[in-house]
Amino acid sequence: GAVVSQHPSWVICKSGTSVKIECRSLDFQATTMFWYRQFPKQSLMLMATSNEGSKATYEQGVEKDKFLINHASLTLSTLTVTSAHPEDSSFYICSARDGGGTEAFFGQGTRLTVV
Amino acid sequence: ELKVEQNPLFLSMQEGKNYTIYCNYSTTSDRLYWYRQDPGKSLESLFVLLSNGAVKQEGRLMASLDTKARLSTLHITAAVHDLSATYFCAVELKGSGNTPLVFGKGTRLSVIA
Repeated sequence: GAVVSQHPSWVICKSGTSVKIECRSLDFQATTMFWYRQFPKQSLMLMATSNEGSKATYEQGVEKDKFLINHASLTLSTLTVTSAHPEDSSFYICSARDGGGTEAFFGQGTRLTVV
Repeated sequence: ELKVEQNPLFLSMQEGKNYTIYCNYSTTSDRLYWYRQDPGKSLESLFVLLSNGAVKQEGRLMASLDTKARLSTLHITAAVHDLSATYFCAVELKGSGNTPLVFGKGTRLSVIA
């Protein structure tokens, strides 16, 4: 089946710094990718929809200037957490679907810890 | 707004027993998904249900979908410890194009001897 690869798997950064997370579709092209955030013992919440070649669509309450999304190619979307704070510590997961396929594939997730 | 409700949120069951997890959603949907998540890991796809009356089985797990009732069930048969995990149902908004999933809160399953 289709594979979505996320990198890094975990990252620790200092408050005030920026962190970039990559999401790649390995064997298919994804015009749309989704970024979710999951706090401990909670469900996945959609942060934004990443659209290739255009601006991302952010969910209500998600700061677009803090969570920068770039979808520059059909196989890569990046999420940059800018000026990270401890409350940004979370598990970030990307997802993509192979064109007209029915199944949504998820990356391995990135555990971000801001200290 | 699409809402997805799962119950129970916590489930402790003995090995060998059967149980059902329920997933209700609020608006018409094309697709319903079940995922498993182990601690510290991402989601593992279990089932994709695409039509009313769909039933899928894999090992000790069986999922069904009733689109008229807006209800899906995940039935566990003769539970074993390896099934301990968190199970999420997720629903895709009905419509054209590529739409995101809306997740239930998850059911944390613990299978004990």
